[in-house]
Amino acid sequence: QQQVKQSPQSLIVQKGGISIINCAYENTAFDYFPWYQQFPGKGPALLIAIRPDVSEKKEGRFTISFNKSAKQFSLHIMDSQPGDSATYFCAASMQGNFNKFYFGSGTKLNVKP
Amino acid sequence: GAGVSQSPSNKVTEKGKDVELRCDPISGHTALYWYRQSLGQGLEFLIYFQGNSAPDKSGLPSDRFSAERTGGSVSTLTIQRTQQEDSAVYLCASSHAQVKRNQPQHFGDGTRLSIL
Repeated sequence: QQQVKQSPQSLIVQKGGISIINCAYENTAFDYFPWYQQFPGKGPALLIAIRPDVSEKKEGRFTISFNKSAKQFSLHIMDSQPGDSATYFCAASMQGNFNKFYFGSGTKLNVKP
Repeated sequence: GAGVSQSPSNKVTEKGKDVELRCDPISGHTALYWYRQSLGQGLEFLIYFQGNSAPDKSGLPSDRFSAERTGGSVSTLTIQRTQQEDSAVYLCASSHAQVKRNQPQHFGDGTRLSIL
């Protein structure tokens, strides 16, 4: 059973556009939601993370929107650039089970120049 | 400072052989994770070490897979009698102790394992 469901699987966006990647979860015990960015041949790198006590977190062009009641969270990349082309993973973990991070299946983003 | 280091970066071996993959975590990080990433897929949790506690091995796919962490630092993932379905990128991550609040994981660049 997949704990975190991510969509879309792939995404093509024009330079300057907004990229939106969505994730949904079932376990209401999750309380930490990081996003990772992975370039080919590299390991994932933490991009931004949110806890459920806030509905939005922004860092530069990257924003996480969190909807606790819907059990959904999304990553928005504003003014998308070709350098943002990478695979993005959402993840979730919970208090009391810190060792387990549940990852989404990933979204391959291609930003066209 | 130095990040998580994994070696080798690539490994090609014949079916049935044993392989050892190495991970050097960030200095001071007590938590260490192994994941498997198949082509175009997400990250599959394999095993987790935290300090001197017994490791969480719940993600290991079979008894051919084992891992150890010596002295609370370097870790080795061993796959015995490799099968073609073991072909994947094996990623290691480390973090500060997950005591009260979730700590971000820092990943190495992985070992790309190919079984012929």
